[in-house]
Amino acid sequence: KAGVTQTPRYLIKTRGQQVTLSCSPISGHRSVSWYQQTPGQGLQFLFEYFSETQRNKGNFPGRFSGRQFSNSRSEMNVSTLELGDSALYLCASSSRGGERETQYFGPGTRLLVL
Amino acid sequence: QKEVEQDPGPLSVPEGAIVSLNCTYSNSAFQYFMWYRQYSRKGPELLMYTYSSGNKEDGRFTAQVDKSSKYISLFIRDSQPSDSATYLCAMSGYYGNNRLAFGKGNQVVVIP
Repeated sequence: KAGVTQTPRYLIKTRGQQVTLSCSPISGHRSVSWYQQTPGQGLQFLFEYFSETQRNKGNFPGRFSGRQFSNSRSEMNVSTLELGDSALYLCASSSRGGERETQYFGPGTRLLVL
Repeated sequence: QKEVEQDPGPLSVPEGAIVSLNCTYSNSAFQYFMWYRQYSRKGPELLMYTYSSGNKEDGRFTAQVDKSSKYISLFIRDSQPSDSATYLCAMSGYYGNNRLAFGKGNQVVVIP
């Protein structure tokens, strides 16, 4: 089975721009979660989508948004980029998003905001 | 106080040594405890998964959970250069779903 894929792998943007990142989960997985990883804060939960609905949201400003499509692929969008948004953005998929389930992470998209 | 505390200091050990990593947490509602390994430029991969207190062993890896002390550990025996990576503790169960709370991670370097 193919793993979780994320595109693009690397991205450079300037302050004030917006960015869209994409995640394709493992085939058959319906839950997709997004995390932000920075050296200072580590991995922080952004949000989770299941069956095209946002089920859970972390403590991030409204500039961070996402969506999920009927084929379970997910996108996250960051508007009005700030320097502090520079990070590795990881998505993880699991079958149903149950608390006992293993989450499988993609390689991440490294975003640099200048 | 952060939900999960993991001293992020790097760790260098000689090949063959035992690596000991640990995390503490503040919320007693966490039920599921994991260790992820993350190689440079890769996403985290699940290494060990434990539920409730006790030990779990898988090859050279042993995970321990002490819920009464809110303390989890990972031991790597006979460490190899290929074990050089960042190790992240994670836990779930508090939010009623698979939302993970992570420690900041330890960068481990095994010197041949």
